[in-house]
Amino acid sequence: AQSVTQPDIHITVSEGASLELRCNYSYGATPYLFWYVQSPGQGLQLLLKYFSGDTLVQGIKGFEAEFKRSQSSFNLRKPSVHWSDAAEYFCAVADYGQNFVFGPGTRLSVLP
Amino acid sequence: DAGVIQSPRHEVTEMGQEVTLRCKPISGHNSLFWYRQTMMRGLELLIYFNNNVPIDDSGMPEDRFSAKMPNASFSTLKIQPSEPRDSAVYFCASSFGPRGGRGTEAFFGQGTRLTVV
Repeated sequence: AQSVTQPDIHITVSEGASLELRCNYSYGATPYLFWYVQSPGQGLQLLLKYFSGDTLVQGIKGFEAEFKRSQSSFNLRKPSVHWSDAAEYFCAVADYGQNFVFGPGTRLSVLP
Repeated sequence: DAGVIQSPRHEVTEMGQEVTLRCKPISGHNSLFWYRQTMMRGLELLIYFNNNVPIDDSGMPEDRFSAKMPNASFSTLKIQPSEPRDSAVYFCASSFGPRGGRGTEAFFGQGTRLTVV
């Protein structure tokens, strides 16, 4: 069965600093990977997804993620964080049956 | 499209009462998911439907929980009887499912915050 780990429960960065959120997955076949963001009291919004092609994918709000098969990773990055990026971030993997499995989430705090 | 619509947004009920959560998926989507989110356990998949048929209900905690999808535009999650440990945020999500390819993302509703006292 597929699984997703996000090693960092909580990360704090200063506004304007770069950001990298880690995601590792376990899946037998070619994974389909997603990053979602959840603001307080809200549902999950898709940031970006990877299912084939270029291993560096661009998403909304200036985010990007890189798929590294050799490391079973799909880390999320942003070159310059804005205060509005403070939220919870979830990495997810989906199997052929569209059974989405989510990681535990990483809470991002942004210092002014 | 208005997106995935869940109702109610908030529900407070007494232990032992029946609770029904409702979801309207995005029109044209053929997969629907129910998730539960808690601080302790994160996001848990409870059940998912494809073409109105339950495909995987292994995440349903126990017999007190049941879910139905009578048609492509409506699903319910029922808890009977409810218990305080059921307090959580329940999300519904929909996607194009296998027909849309595995790259198709799930679209989430705003969630229902359930409090059982």
